[in-house]
Amino acid sequence: LAKTTQPISMDSYEGQEVNITCSHNNIATNDYITWYQQFPSQGPRFIIQGYKTKVTNEVASLFIPADRKSSTLSLPRVSLSDTAVYYCLVGSNSGYALNFGKGTSLLVTP
Amino acid sequence: GAGVSQSPSNKVTEKGKDVELRCDPISGHTALYWYRQSLGQGLEFLIYFQGNSAPDKSGLPSDRFSAERTGGSVSTLTIQRTQQEDSAVYLCASSSGGQGNEKLFFGSGTQLSVL
Repeated sequence: LAKTTQPISMDSYEGQEVNITCSHNNIATNDYITWYQQFPSQGPRFIIQGYKTKVTNEVASLFIPADRKSSTLSLPRVSLSDTAVYYCLVGSNSGYALNFGKGTSLLVTP
Repeated sequence: GAGVSQSPSNKVTEKGKDVELRCDPISGHTALYWYRQSLGQGLEFLIYFQGNSAPDKSGLPSDRFSAERTGGSVSTLTIQRTQQEDSAVYLCASSSGGQGNEKLFFGSGTQLSVL
């Protein structure tokens, strides 16, 4: 499974756009990129998934460059409730995703 | 059920005792995963079930840890002779097929404290 690297922590003010980048240099052809969000005392929750280019849903956008060696989760106009840990995973339909790593701890302040 | 259910939500036990943690996955989900999360750490993979079979037990930390799944549904994680280093949140997740590009649905976890 492709190893991922993401920043340990990030800080932001309310109303700003937050971009969290994940590196996955050895991503395989069949791998998808999936992001999860985890609040304290809860299990992780799926946010968004993509294979290439750009994916957008009601929560976030995911930008994936042509070489797919990295991806960026974009959270528009964050609020205090977006304070959480964000995990980047890479996996394919030939295997199951195991490695959540330590994620990126995002702190949003007023 | 509507989501993944785990019980108990909290468990306090004494060192050396055995504990059983239960996971009730989303109805129809064939894949079930157990993870462990220590304070301030990421998720550590423990074991994966596809149906009642566990093709990957590589994450179980020691032979004190075991898990089973019956009827392709409920799973139990058993820790024998608990140690203080077993204290953590134990998370269960399920998915519809057990593939790496599938969405995992997590329960709220069991907070285990070994005194």
